[in-house]
Amino acid sequence: GAVVSQHPSWVICKSGTSVKIECRSLDFQATTMFWYRQFPKQSLMLMATSNEGSKATYEQGVEKDKFLINHASLTLSTLTVTSAHPEDSSFYICSARVSYEQYFGPGTRLTVT
Amino acid sequence: KQEVTQIPAALSVPEGENLVLNCSFTDSAIYNLQWFRQDPGKGLTSLLLIQSSQREQTSGRLNASLDKSSGRSTLYIAASQPGDSATYLCAVLWMDSSYKLIFGSGTRLLVRP
Repeated sequence: GAVVSQHPSWVICKSGTSVKIECRSLDFQATTMFWYRQFPKQSLMLMATSNEGSKATYEQGVEKDKFLINHASLTLSTLTVTSAHPEDSSFYICSARVSYEQYFGPGTRLTVT
Repeated sequence: KQEVTQIPAALSVPEGENLVLNCSFTDSAIYNLQWFRQDPGKGLTSLLLIQSSQREQTSGRLNASLDKSSGRSTLYIAASQPGDSATYLCAVLWMDSSYKLIFGSGTRLLVRP
């Protein structure tokens, strides 16, 4: 089946630094990838839609200059959290679209100290 | 606005009980509806996907139904086991949503031994 990986699975960084999270589709190509954020005991909230070769589309309230998304190939999208703050600590999950189905990565736990 | 609602938010049952989780959605023009399972601190596991033309899907002890006209879906779990304890998320793909999945807030299930 379609497998999506994320790297790293968890990361701890200091406030003010930047962190990059990778999302890869391992055995298929995805023209569209999605980034979600999940706070403790809450559901997944869509942050942005990433299309290969074009700029990402951000959901309302998500700062595009803070959450930089790059989708340079059909198998890789990256999310960079710039100038991270403790309130950015969350679980970040990506998904890759094939037709009308999405396949989810295992998530990345970000803790900003 | 397209929204997904899940009730109850939490549920605790003794082992062996049959149970029903509910999901409701605004706007019946959906493409599909999907049920996921999420264990604490982990990613999503897809359980069942129901296309808009289908009424139900079954996998083992799980049965999901879809009633588009009333904007409802139910996930039925038969003979519950402690290993079923997790958060169950319902997600809807609307036809005009640019492939964006919208998630409900989830139901946290605890099956007591």
